[in-house]
Amino acid sequence: ETGVTQSPTHLIKTRGQQVTLRCSSQSGHNTVSWYQQALGQGPQFIFQYYREEENGRGNFPPRFSGLQFPNYSSELNVNALELDDSALYLCASSSNQEPTDTQYFGPGTRLTVL
Amino acid sequence: KNQVEQSPQSLIILEGKNCTLQCNYTVSPFSNLRWYKQDTGRGPVSLTIMTFSENTKSNGRYTATLDADTKQSSLHITASQLSDSASYICVVTRSFTGGGNKLTFGTGTQLKVEL
Repeated sequence: ETGVTQSPTHLIKTRGQQVTLRCSSQSGHNTVSWYQQALGQGPQFIFQYYREEENGRGNFPPRFSGLQFPNYSSELNVNALELDDSALYLCASSSNQEPTDTQYFGPGTRLTVL
Repeated sequence: KNQVEQSPQSLIILEGKNCTLQCNYTVSPFSNLRWYKQDTGRGPVSLTIMTFSENTKSNGRYTATLDADTKQSSLHITASQLSDSASYICVVTRSFTGGGNKLTFGTGTQLKVEL
C-alpha cells in the first residue's frame, strides 16, 4: 500500500452531470497529480497541483478542474460529463524534496458515464 | 513529440520462464525512466527508476536496463510467477518550468503467466 487513498472507489453518472473525485496524499507529500486511464491504455496526465496551485496541465478541456487543499489533499472535478470520460482516474502524490520525485499512486476511482 | 512506446503489447509465458519487455522513448529533456507494475483495477506501483547515468537497476527478480543514447529500456523478469501477471508500464519523466515533473506513460505490456 502506498498511503494514497481515493474516494469513491466506483461511481456511475449520466451524461451532462458533474462529478467530484477525492484524493488524500501520502504523509509528507506536497504534490498531487491526476491521471485518466481508459481501458487497455496507459494513464494520461490531466494536471498536477503543487502547494495548492496548478503546476502543469495535460491536453484536457477546461471542464476538468481541480483543487489542492492546505493539507495537500486534492479534488478532481469534471463538469458536463461525456461518455468518453468513463475511465479509471488515478491520483498520485509525490514530494519535490525527494531526489527522484517518485509518484505513489492511489487505487483509483472507476467512473462510468451512461 | 514526446512519446513512449512499449512492446510487445501482450505476452503469455509459462511459470518459471524469463521474459523481457521493451520500451522506446522520444521524451526530451529526459529526467528519469521508471517501470511500474499495475494489477488489474489497481494503481501502478513503482518497480525501478533510473536516471541518465544509470544503465541497470534491479529489484528482486526484476532487472531494468537503460540505454540513454538509443533511448531504449528493457525490463527483464526472471523465474516468473503467477503473481507477475499484470500490466507493466514504462514511464519517462521530464521536468518543466516552475518545478514539478511531467510523466509520459507508455500503453503498457500485458503479461500473463500460466501454469
